[in-house]
Amino acid sequence: NAGVTQTPKFQVLKTGQSMTLQCAQDMNHNSMYWYRQDPGMGLRLIYYSASEGTTDKGEVPNGYNVSRLNKREFSLRLESAAPSQTSVYFCASSERKQPQHFGDGTRLSIL
Amino acid sequence: DQQVKQNSPSLSVQEGRISILNCDYTNSMFDYFLWYKKYPAEGPTFLISISSIKDKNEDGRFTVFLNKSAKHLSLHIVPSQPGDSAVYFCAAYSGGGADGLTFGKGTHLIIQP
Repeated sequence: NAGVTQTPKFQVLKTGQSMTLQCAQDMNHNSMYWYRQDPGMGLRLIYYSASEGTTDKGEVPNGYNVSRLNKREFSLRLESAAPSQTSVYFCASSERKQPQHFGDGTRLSIL
Repeated sequence: DQQVKQNSPSLSVQEGRISILNCDYTNSMFDYFLWYKKYPAEGPTFLISISSIKDKNEDGRFTVFLNKSAKHLSLHIVPSQPGDSAVYFCAAYSGGGADGLTFGKGTHLIIQP
């Protein structure tokens, strides 16, 4: 019962480098989400995908791109990493208007 | 502008007593509310939810109360147990429902033995 799996768990990047965070869910959910959590803050929505083939911006999309590869997978890409993107990134999935299931996060540091 | 507010960053409660965590919201379009629990180095775990058409929902030791006129909800944990020590997030869906959750900043609950 894997649920939502995120890779990698930890990553250190240099400013300007690019990387893709991977997320996969095995619950056959239509909707998938990417959030970031900064110290002392709640989770903030970066991008979401309401169904396969669609993506939309959330509250804090600048500096990120996403791809809904298929129903199971939703990736988040940083094209040119900046120190302000140092954060913990969470992927989640759900059916519409249902409780979201979260992965354990990717801890990303950008130097 | 924070649409979901948890004004207590931390709360300490004795084991066996009641824990009450509070949450206020400003967006009238919110119509479904959820509480999540989070341990360090893990993702948030869903605890309990309530629709805006209800004023109470109960699940075992956990009860959520919603006061729509005051735009306020609370989570009651009775009795509190050591394993309840965690950060609790209040979150809300708006009327559309497809555009993700809006979270509060969280309350760190500490259960004292």
